[in-house]
Amino acid sequence: EIVLTQSPGTLSLSPGERATLSCRASQSVSSSYLAWYQQKPGQAPRLLIYGASSRATGIPDRFSGSGSGTDFTLTISRLEPEDFAVYYCQQYGSSPLFGGGTKVEIK
Amino acid sequence: QVQLQESGPGLVKPSQTLSLTCTVSGGSISSGSYYWSWIRQPAGKGLEWIGRIYTSGSTNYNPSLKSRVTISVDTSKNQFSLKLSSVTAADTAVYYCARFKPAYSPYFDYWGQGTLVTVSS
Repeated sequence: EIVLTQSPGTLSLSPGERATLSCRASQSVSSSYLAWYQQKPGQAPRLLIYGASSRATGIPDRFSGSGSGTDFTLTISRLEPEDFAVYYCQQYGSSPLFGGGTKVEIK
Repeated sequence: QVQLQESGPGLVKPSQTLSLTCTVSGGSISSGSYYWSWIRQPAGKGLEWIGRIYTSGSTNYNPSLKSRVTISVDTSKNQFSLKLSSVTAADTAVYYCARFKPAYSPYFDYWGQGTLVTVSS
């Protein structure tokens, strides 16, 4: 069974800074099957990235995804106030699986 | 614009069956090749996929919940439903319904707002 480990658990940054979030899989995952979501308090998750690197409709280009195999990264080039949230990676398999999340908080 | 809305009791007693319905609007649940899914999130924790149904009625469940889960679809009402039996306090969570697009690069693209279900006597 694949396990997705996200790190760090919490990232404390200031607006304008760059955020780098990691998602590591316990075994190789197809890049096509890796997605990222953003969740704000009291809201449902929102799709950001699919296929490891494709931005979903309406997602600003400051969000980018990369990686392959077991290591995937979500990068937010310059944090805006609305980007402080929890981010989840997700892989598609026989049972879709989510990582534990990374909280990006204001420093 | 597709919208999903969960409904059902917010409080369920231990050992009873949790029942939720997701109503889809803005499009037919039968159109396109989508899976309709349930996902839950305990307070302060991560997301757990529960299962999904295709409009043909075929289902897939999370192995950890499979023995207690039933997902069904009613295309005439544009709804799909979740039943989780023998609930305990560990099943207390916000339950989301979501649409899953099984493309070359698949993803959950539309989500309901979520509904909190508390298991307590």
